[in-house]
Amino acid sequence: EVQLQESGPSLVKPSQTLSLTCSVTGDSITSGYWNWIRKFPGNKLEYMGYISYSGSTYYNPSLKSRISITRDTSKNQYYLQLNSVTTEDTATYYCARSDDYDGGFAYWGQGTLVTVSA
Amino acid sequence: DIVLTQSPATLSVTPGDSVSLSCRASQSISNNLHWYQQKSHESPRLLIKYASQSISGIPSRFSGSGSGTDFTLSINSVETEDFGMYFCQQSNSWPWTFGGGTKLEIK
Repeated sequence: EVQLQESGPSLVKPSQTLSLTCSVTGDSITSGYWNWIRKFPGNKLEYMGYISYSGSTYYNPSLKSRISITRDTSKNQYYLQLNSVTTEDTATYYCARSDDYDGGFAYWGQGTLVTVSA
Repeated sequence: DIVLTQSPATLSVTPGDSVSLSCRASQSISNNLHWYQQKSHESPRLLIKYASQSISGIPSRFSGSGSGTDFTLSINSVETEDFGMYFCQQSNSWPWTFGGGTKLEIK
């Protein structure tokens, strides 16, 4: 069974960098597409980007140059970095897997709430 | 970006009712539309992919239809475990986007 687990700080100060890890078991991150999605207070969901089985990446243009998704295949983990955060980045962050680049997200982590506050 | 508009925002139903949830896209997205259920304090769960394709392990009372700009998620005979939020998501044009959700609540 594919399982994903997010981890990282729950509180980040404004202007700092948000860093999260997604640990994957039951599958290899060298197959499929590995995504980051966030849910804001009030239920709005935003797609952030992916890293593919080959290591290629896509980022939502709304995040401009603030986002980076990387991976460590030896640990079967992938990572999210979001720079220069503001209070608007307060959200629950999810990692999720899709079989195809345009497929639905069949597997999700449990989500981690990150609050941006001084 | 493609905007997905879900309606109604809230749907109050009695267990045993059959319901239809709507998702409308701001431009044609072919059949690249997926449906999710999210209960409080849980992660979203994929219910239907590519507008009408069923997902293993999802009860057969959930079905999807539509193409182009208009899509529907139908639940035949709602059960108490079905109450929660429902979201649609498009994968036709980058960036992928989600609808604002429909809350299915007990009347």
